[in-house]
Amino acid sequence: RKEVEQDPGPFNVPEGATVAFNCTYSNSASQSFFWYRQDCRKEPKLLMSVYSSGNEDGRFTAQLNRASQYISLLIRDSKLSDSATYLCAVGFSGGYNKLIFGAGTRLAVHP
Amino acid sequence: EPEVTQTPSHQVTQMGQEVILRCVPISNHLYFYWYRQILGQKVEFLVSFYNNEISEKSEIFDDQFSVERPDGSNFTLKIRSTKLEDSAMYFCASSESTAGGEQFFGPGTRLTVL
Repeated sequence: RKEVEQDPGPFNVPEGATVAFNCTYSNSASQSFFWYRQDCRKEPKLLMSVYSSGNEDGRFTAQLNRASQYISLLIRDSKLSDSATYLCAVGFSGGYNKLIFGAGTRLAVHP
Repeated sequence: EPEVTQTPSHQVTQMGQEVILRCVPISNHLYFYWYRQILGQKVEFLVSFYNNEISEKSEIFDDQFSVERPDGSNFTLKIRSTKLEDSAMYFCASSESTAGGEQFFGPGTRLTVL
């Protein structure tokens, strides 16, 4: 089983749509969780950290379910500029927080 | 806003040559990382560095790789004898803390080994 798994997509959605991505992780010792956004051939840019209580930043909401070992990202009112690959990353506190990344989910928002 | 910088943006080298990739982490950060991403694949952890020593390394980070913080600002990744399969984007990242600390990535160096 892969350490961090994501649906590769692509998710093709119209502007204004709500879209949700899930990510599962296999190591129950995982301590920190993040969503990154990556544009083609660019660096991962931190979108948000994910906390057990869930967190929201504007149109973006992230949730963590430790019991089922998955995290989710919800994007409301999609914009054309949201088109990118969304990477899930899981950190391990015992390992100086090295991040294990999923392969990413591609989102394409069309007019 | 502080950011991680990397040079060069693109490096082309011949197989067997040594390359040094340079990074300047965010100034108040203490934890430094190198990751790589082969074209079309996921981002992979290479090495973490803290207090002037390697804290963890992956299986990819073999004897051909080394890291150094030669002064108070630069953080370098050296590949001693490059192979074709070392062609990838190499990202440097830094973090203020390790416990759940957010990592910020530089723009990357695209390494092409011919």
